[in-house]
Amino acid sequence: GNSVTQMEGPVTLSEEAFLTINCTYTATGYPSLFWYVQYPGEGLQLLLKATKADDKGSNKGFEATYRKETTSFHLEKGSVQVSDSAVYFCALTTNFGNEKLTFGTGTRLTIIP
Amino acid sequence: SAVISQKPSRDICQRGTSLTIQCQVDSQVTMMFWYRQQPGQSLTLIATANQGSEATYESGFVIDKFPISRPNLTFSTLTVSNMSPEDSSIYLCSVGTGTGYNEQFFGPGTRLTVL
Repeated sequence: GNSVTQMEGPVTLSEEAFLTINCTYTATGYPSLFWYVQYPGEGLQLLLKATKADDKGSNKGFEATYRKETTSFHLEKGSVQVSDSAVYFCALTTNFGNEKLTFGTGTRLTIIP
Repeated sequence: SAVISQKPSRDICQRGTSLTIQCQVDSQVTMMFWYRQQPGQSLTLIATANQGSEATYESGFVIDKFPISRPNLTFSTLTVSNMSPEDSSIYLCSVGTGTGYNEQFFGPGTRLTVL
């Protein structure tokens, strides 16, 4: 079956620090990979995605590269801001018709001014 | 993208009662999904609801507890029946609208507290 293993949290960083949140996966077939973000009191929003090996998803200064050889999709940002404080979920779906998402456990990120 | 609304946004309910959550989408979609997010936990898929067919439930979830309706391509409901405090969660609906349904858009969620 499919599974997503995500870096344990919570993570606390100072503003302008470099961020990495690790995500590895196991899947049957060729998954599409996603990072979703949940800001305090809000629903999930799609942050970025990659649908095939070596694709790089990017949005709002965040990046993640689909690494098939290491089955990873680590989230990075060069300089975090207080407004990036949120819970980040790594997720995948496989193209077998029923596109249900399998989520990681989520990583709570807090940025300190 | 799709704009999704849910009603109610939150509710506090008594043990043994039922609550129906509505999910409305601003465009026609084939696949809708219902998730549960227990406090401090990740999201768990409850069921997939396609218009015109019975919902497909994930392991650990049954229709008697979580009946779902999907009367048209823009609307779905999830009922949480005979509630207990363990049902206290955020319930989210989502829709698949990307190419090959590769991405999903989520509603804002319904925060349910059962006393």
